Amino acid sequence: AQSVTQLGSHVSVSEGALVLLRCNYSSSVPPYLFWYVQYPNQGLQLLLKYTSAATLVKGINGFEAEFKKSETSFHLTKPSAHMRDAAEYFCAVSGRGGSYIPTFGRGTSLIVHP
Amino acid sequence: KAGVTQTPRYLIKTRGQQVTLSCSPISGHRSVSWYQQTPGQGLQFLFEYFSETQRNKGNFPGRFSGRQFSNSRSEMNVSTLELGDSALYLCASSSGGQNTEAFFGQGTRLTVV
Repeated sequence: AQSVTQLGSHVSVSEGALVLLRCNYSSSVPPYLFWYVQYPNQGLQLLLKYTSAATLVKGINGFEAEFKKSETSFHLTKPSAHMRDAAEYFCAVSGRGGSYIPTFGRGTSLIVHP
Repeated sequence: KAGVTQTPRYLIKTRGQQVTLSCSPISGHRSVSWYQQTPGQGLQFLFEYFSETQRNKGNFPGRFSGRQFSNSRSEMNVSTLELGDSALYLCASSSGGQNTEAFFGQGTRLTVV
């Protein structure tokens, strides 16, 4: 079984501030982990994915995430927020060797203030 | 390379009716998955088709069904619509492997009145 918990349904930051979106996972097998972004009235777009090659994963638009097995976490960060980063962010997990259909978290809405 | 295309983008249906949604995956992708997205439940997996066969299924009632054609295009059908079926329905295509990226369409917004 696999699951994802995203802490905080809404995160509000000022433009230029650090962005931190939290994701904790549960998986009975070593996981694949993903972060997706969804802009209004759009589908989901992959930001980055963890496949065990490196624990620090760099994605598009300046985002990165660090896989911490001891904490079962995969938090998403960006050093400096832009107005265009305002969107819904989803963390997802799929399991190696088992069902690879990703299980998505409930999403975190990122609000960026000028 | 064309992305995932979902049609129609918006639909309004009456309770009790049925509806069919369409998804054209990225060329070469053999896996098509369907998700229901609602504010209350988030993204819920409906089912996945791979090479015309349903390979995985979520926990939805039998009113929700789908199929995939030989060209990988997929349709999803919902019969006897209920108000609670109002949602954004997303289709995702991939090559079908374990760590491959899923490419999402823009979705079909279904409103049941």
